[in-house]
Amino acid sequence: DAMVIQNPRYQVTQFGKPVTLSCSQTLNHNVMYWYQQKSSQAPKLLFHYYDKDFNNEADTPDNFQSRRPNTSFCFLDIRSPGLGDAAMYLCATSRVTGDRGEQYFGPGTRLTVT
Amino acid sequence: LAKTTQPISMDSYEGQEVNITCSHNNIATNDYITWYQQFPSQGPRFIIQGYKTKVTNEVASLFIPADRKSSTLSLPRVSLSDTAVYYCLVGRYTGTASKLTFGTGTRLQVTL
Repeated sequence: DAMVIQNPRYQVTQFGKPVTLSCSQTLNHNVMYWYQQKSSQAPKLLFHYYDKDFNNEADTPDNFQSRRPNTSFCFLDIRSPGLGDAAMYLCATSRVTGDRGEQYFGPGTRLTVT
Repeated sequence: LAKTTQPISMDSYEGQEVNITCSHNNIATNDYITWYQQFPSQGPRFIIQGYKTKVTNEVASLFIPADRKSSTLSLPRVSLSDTAVYYCLVGRYTGTASKLTFGTGTRLQVTL
């Protein structure tokens, strides 16, 4: 089945130690998104790629970076994680641009910062 | 960005119809309204999407009044497995910029 895969499902990192989360898709979708979701809150969009074009949300901290080496893979890099960065990180894809664009979400990676 | 609000929680008995509203007073002309379902420790899952009037699929209906300042997700005959958080997402993807805002989410609890 075509899907969005996130690895690892659980990640523990130390305060200030860089960490990378990965996302892959077999849907061949143009757009890939990264969301941060804290406990009991709605997902918050960090940034997204349309093909190779990177689009950052205005309030996304510089501590968060992303790479998309090819259509299938996208990475979220947190350069110096703080305790406040502990959250679920969701990757999503969508096929079409324009007004519609159903998003397909991965299962998420739960990040713990110690 | 469209600001969206939803009731924090709702309770229902199995077999009842559940209607969850989302308020989006400053929705833009080109914005779509999409509803997602999220179970604990999983990513959101698409339920239904609409622009105006009524949309129905095999799992839900979406009612959007003419002014589009609110929308209502209707789940017919809920079961225990419908216990989840439901989010409305208002916005549009424009190719180079996203204007996608999730609502606050409604936690639906279904009991026997």
